[in-house]
Amino acid sequence: DAGVTQSPTHLIKTRGQQVTLRCSPISGHKSVSWYQQVLGQGPQFIFQYYEKEERGRGNFPDRFSARQFPNYSSELNVNALLLGDSALYLCASSLRRGADTQYFGPGTRLTVL
Amino acid sequence: AQRVTQPEKLLSVFKGAPVELKCNYSYSGSPELFWYVQYSRQRLQLLLRHISRESIKGFTADLNKGETSFHLKKPFAQEEDSAMYYCALSGTGSYIPTFGRGTSLIVHP
Repeated sequence: DAGVTQSPTHLIKTRGQQVTLRCSPISGHKSVSWYQQVLGQGPQFIFQYYEKEERGRGNFPDRFSARQFPNYSSELNVNALLLGDSALYLCASSLRRGADTQYFGPGTRLTVL
Repeated sequence: AQRVTQPEKLLSVFKGAPVELKCNYSYSGSPELFWYVQYSRQRLQLLLRHISRESIKGFTADLNKGETSFHLKKPFAQEEDSAMYYCALSGTGSYIPTFGRGTSLIVHP
């Protein structure tokens, strides 16, 4: 198993644009969580999805949205990009919902110009 | 609001020295606590969680509810322990995991 995979690896956008990031969980994992990590900080929780439903939401504006598909893969969408959205976006999968061990992907580096 | 504090941004020790990476938390309920590690050019991965009460790669961490701490310890540091360490808290009930800012551990030969 390749573990959690994310695409793309890097992305450059301009202010005001929209972006979609993708994540495939470990086979058998039904839960996917998204995190934003800015330089010098720990990962900050954005969303958790379990069985295609949102189960947890962090303190992010409505410009951030996500969904989970029947195969448990997930997309994170960010609209109206701001310079401050530049960060590493991490996806993590887990077997169960809630406070379960997170298995992280390599991340997508988003740069907003 | 829940919070995780890792007071040291950088911890530098020599090989064979004891290591303690500090983690303090704030949470009104019963927390679940984790230590994650990120080695150079690798992805973030779980090191240990308090409910398993395991020793992984010689590291241990004890939950002290009185002091609201979950410090990570190792009696004899190895060069391969050099990495970024993150303490994380998950509340029982609503799932909002919180990570600390991380401590960079450097073990000198």
